[in-house]
Amino acid sequence: QLQLQESGPGLVKPSETLSLTCTVSGASISSSGSYWGWIRQPPGKGLEWIGSLYSSGTTYYNPSLKSRVTISVDTSKNQFSLRLSSVTAADTAAYYCARNLYSTNNQNWLDPWGQGTLVTVSS
Amino acid sequence: DIQMTQSPSSLSASVGDRVTVTCRASQRISSYLNWYQQKPGKAPKLLIYAASSLQSGVPSRFSGSGSGTDFSLTISSLQPEDSATYYCQQSYTTPGLTFGGGTQVQIK
Repeated sequence: QLQLQESGPGLVKPSETLSLTCTVSGASISSSGSYWGWIRQPPGKGLEWIGSLYSSGTTYYNPSLKSRVTISVDTSKNQFSLRLSSVTAADTAAYYCARNLYSTNNQNWLDPWGQGTLVTVSS
Repeated sequence: DIQMTQSPSSLSASVGDRVTVTCRASQRISSYLNWYQQKPGKAPKLLIYAASSLQSGVPSRFSGSGSGTDFSLTISSLQPEDSATYYCQQSYTTPGLTFGGGTQVQIK
């Protein structure tokens, strides 16, 4: 059974870099037909796609965050990571990783999701 | 960018009621539309993919329909455990994705 688990600091200071890792178990991150993505949710608000990565290392980012985001993969550890630089209080959110699974006709959806991790930006 | 607009933003209904949540895309997205359920403190869970396909393990009282710009999620007989927030998400511009603002469903 495929499972994803986020890990990383729960508190980050303003202007610093937020770093999170998603560990994938139950399947290889190199398996074809999947992208791997990060999504966030500020407290009490909706979901925002941050970016996605293919196992080859190809990445796609939300244009609104692109200048501050880096997503990378470590296939040897079956992990992928998120770095978000120059954070402010507006980056306080629950951060989720998820598999973006592809099917026929390029249909795709996010499943499963990690349980999420709350990151607070505060001094 | 494709914008996704959900309505209503919240609703309250009784157990056994038929409930419908709508989602409108700012441009045509064919059937590239997914629905998720999120309960407080939990990660979203996939309910419907490709507009109308029921994810394995999801109760059959949930159904999705629509194509183009207008979509709907229907709960045929609302149950207490269906109290949650529901999000639509377009996958037409994949890998770039966008979500609707969410609809909170409460039980009267």
